Formats: sequence, C-alpha cells, structure tokens
Amino acid sequence: DAGVTQSPTHLIKTRGQHVTLRCSPISGHKSVSWYQQVLGQGPQFIFQYYEKEERGRGNFPDRFSARQFPNYSSELNVNALLLGDSALYLCASDDRNIQYFGAGTRLSVL
Amino acid sequence: QKEVEQNSGPLSVPEGAIASLNCTYSDRGSQSFFWYRQYSGKSPELIMSIYSNGDKEDGRFTAQLNKASQYVSLLIRDSQPSDSATYLCAVNKNNNNDMRFGAGTRLTVKP
Repeated sequence: DAGVTQSPTHLIKTRGQHVTLRCSPISGHKSVSWYQQVLGQGPQFIFQYYEKEERGRGNFPDRFSARQFPNYSSELNVNALLLGDSALYLCASDDRNIQYFGAGTRLSVL
Repeated sequence: QKEVEQNSGPLSVPEGAIASLNCTYSDRGSQSFFWYRQYSGKSPELIMSIYSNGDKEDGRFTAQLNKASQYVSLLIRDSQPSDSATYLCAVNKNNNNDMRFGAGTRLTVKP
C-alpha cells in the first residue's frame, strides 16, 4: 500500500503569491491533518479534516485554508505568502489516533 | 509555558549506551502520547505510542508515562549510530487528532 503522498516535493515562490499543496492519505484513512515545520522546531498543527469537515484548526492566520475531497485527498492553500511561511509542510493521515506523515513539501518564499 | 517541552540537546551517547529522552506536557487532560523520530530533511516516523501510566517496551525502545507528573520519556537501549536523529514528543490533547509536538531533542550516537 502506498503511504501518504504529497506534491510537490519542493516549491519556490515569491512574497505575495499563493500556493496550493496536495496530499493523498493512506488508502482507507478518512482523516488528514496539516502541519508546518520551521527549521529547528517541531511540527505545528494547522488543520485537521475528517470526512470533508474541518475538525480542528491551529493558530494560523486566515491566509491559510484547506479542504478535503470526496476521495479524502486534501489541499492546503496559502495566500499572500510571507517570508516566514518558508517551511516544510507535512500532511498526516490517521488510523485509530495514530498519525502517519508524508514526505512533506518544502516551501521557500523569496 | 509551552504545551510540550523537550530538551533541545544535542544529546550525545556512545554506541551501545542507553539514551534517555524526556518530555513534559502542560495539559493534564491529554490522552495519548507519541514518540516520533525524524532524520534530517525527512518526515517524522512513529516509534512508540503510549496511553496508560507505566512502561511500554518495543524492541530496544521503552516509553514511560507518568500522568501525575505530566512526564513522558523514551529510553533507547544499545544505541546505534543509525539512531542519530531528532526525537519528537507529541501529545494528543483531546483524542481528536489535535497533536501538539515538542521542538525535538537531537540525539547523536558516536561509534
């Protein structure tokens, strides 16, 4: 079985642009969570979706949004990018309260 | 006070020694506790989960939980150079997958 897949793996954007990151969970998993990991820090919770409904939101500005599709894949959108948005963005799918992470998307904002 | 606190390290141990990693959390109602290992440039991978007070062993790894003291630890026996990584402590606050991570402890195992 394929693990959690994320695309793209790397992305370079400039300030003010927007970005869309994509995630496909492990087959059979209905929950997807998004995290931001800045270098030297642990992952910070952004969103959790279950059955297409938002179940949780971390302390991130409204520039961050997400959605989940009927096939349980998910998108994370970030508008008006700032330099501080440069980070590794991790997607995790859940099975019985255990989260399995994808390889992440490394976003660089110049 | 941070929700999940870990010593950032680096923690250095010789090959074959026991590495001891510690974590404290602030929310007394937390339900589930996890240790993840993260190699440089890679995503976190789950090592252990623990839900009840006491010890849980899996191979060379032992997780310890003390809810009264709000303390979780991970022991790695017979440490190997391949164990060199950052170890992340994660706490699930409400069993709703709202996971809070510590900043991680960087472990180096020297041959």
